[in-house]
Amino acid sequence: SYELTQPPSVSVSPGQTASIPCSGDKLGHKYASWFQQKPGQSPVLVIYQDNKRPSGIPERFSGSNSGNTATLTISGTQAMDEADFYCQAWDSSTAIFGGGTKLTVL
Amino acid sequence: QLQVQESGPGLVKPSETLSLTCTASGGSISSDNYYWGWIRQPPGKGLEWIGSVHYSGSTYYNPSLKSRVTISVDTSKNQFSLKLTSVTAADTAAYYCARQVAAGGTYWFDPWGQGTVVTVSS
Repeated sequence: SYELTQPPSVSVSPGQTASIPCSGDKLGHKYASWFQQKPGQSPVLVIYQDNKRPSGIPERFSGSNSGNTATLTISGTQAMDEADFYCQAWDSSTAIFGGGTKLTVL
Repeated sequence: QLQVQESGPGLVKPSETLSLTCTASGGSISSDNYYWGWIRQPPGKGLEWIGSVHYSGSTYYNPSLKSRVTISVDTSKNQFSLKLTSVTAADTAAYYCARQVAAGGTYWFDPWGQGTVVTVSS
């Protein structure tokens, strides 16, 4: 079965750029979505179709997808961005989620 | 602005059937461009897609759960429902419903409900 792999944790200093990778076989041939989940809250869509931002999501969130890796990039990271992030893609009509990455803003 | 909200029992006994309902407000569930999905998250763990339904009644499920899952839709009530049979402690999780947008050859989940915690215990 298809799998998406994320690092368990990523750390970033305030104001710096955070990059969260998501890897899967030929992931670049699929569309990736990204979700942010803060403690005790439900997930929120931050990126869809690889690099599109829903309305209300800050411009500092961006996405890319090529080869075997999709990447969520947060520019000028703020303390409020600290959360778990999940990538997601579709394979054979099945929604697959990555295991999640905890972003810590130190 | 569309919102979705889960409802149902918070406690289910082992071997019984988990039943949840999701109610959509601020928009119609009867749209060709949307599916409606269920996703769950065990305590301290990641997200797992359960399945999705279209207002026409078309469904598709996670192969790992397919034998135990039924998702149905009631357009008159603007609701869709989840039934998971023969539950065990491994089914203890927060259950989320979400709109699944269909466009450009793919889908994405937005928005999500606030989630409802279901515990399987005797």
